Amino acid sequence: DQQVKQNSPSLSVQEGRISILNCDYTNSMFDYFLWYKKYPAEGPTFLISISSIKDKNEDGRFTVFLNKSAKHLSLHIVPSQPGDSAVYFCAASARDYGQNFVFGPGTRLSVLP
Amino acid sequence: DADVTQTPRNRITKTGKRIMLECSQTKGHDRMYWYRQDPGLGLRLIYYSFDVKDINKGEISDGYSVSRQAQAKFSLSLESAIPNQTALYFCATSEPGQGAWTGELFFGEGSRLTVL
Repeated sequence: DQQVKQNSPSLSVQEGRISILNCDYTNSMFDYFLWYKKYPAEGPTFLISISSIKDKNEDGRFTVFLNKSAKHLSLHIVPSQPGDSAVYFCAASARDYGQNFVFGPGTRLSVLP
Repeated sequence: DADVTQTPRNRITKTGKRIMLECSQTKGHDRMYWYRQDPGLGLRLIYYSFDVKDINKGEISDGYSVSRQAQAKFSLSLESAIPNQTALYFCATSEPGQGAWTGELFFGEGSRLTVL
């Protein structure tokens, strides 16, 4: 059973609007969460992270929210741009995992001009 | 030049053949990883190495082996390839985290393997 879930395989958003990508996890030991972005024919690249001691982290147009009680995090992109079209992976880590990451299946975001 | 380089980028092989995917890095990181990506499953950890003398199995190590030849080199081998090993393979590196920070992964561009 997947410990990190991204239940929306795809999402389409109009340019300039907000994109919200969701991620749920089942292991309460996870204490660090990251979002990666992946373009076709490239490796994933780090986007933004959040520690379990915080509930929000912001970096420019990207904000990640963490709700520990619901075991849920979300990535907000405002405003969305066509260059944001990519696959977004949520990843979680726990110290008893040897600091290894468990990845979700990804959400393909399409930002329409 | 890429900090994490994978070779080959694409490979088609036949069932039963031995295949090696190579990874080299110039980031100076001690930690190296091999992941595979399958549609709908995300990235799954095959093997990881926290230094040259440390090799650990990941979530899906069966059918795979690795070799850490140097700090900068980490190879993944399929001793006898089978069709369900058809996937996109990624090498990654990281540094140990500081405090609450577990350290981000830096990925190569991927090696697409097709086993017929």
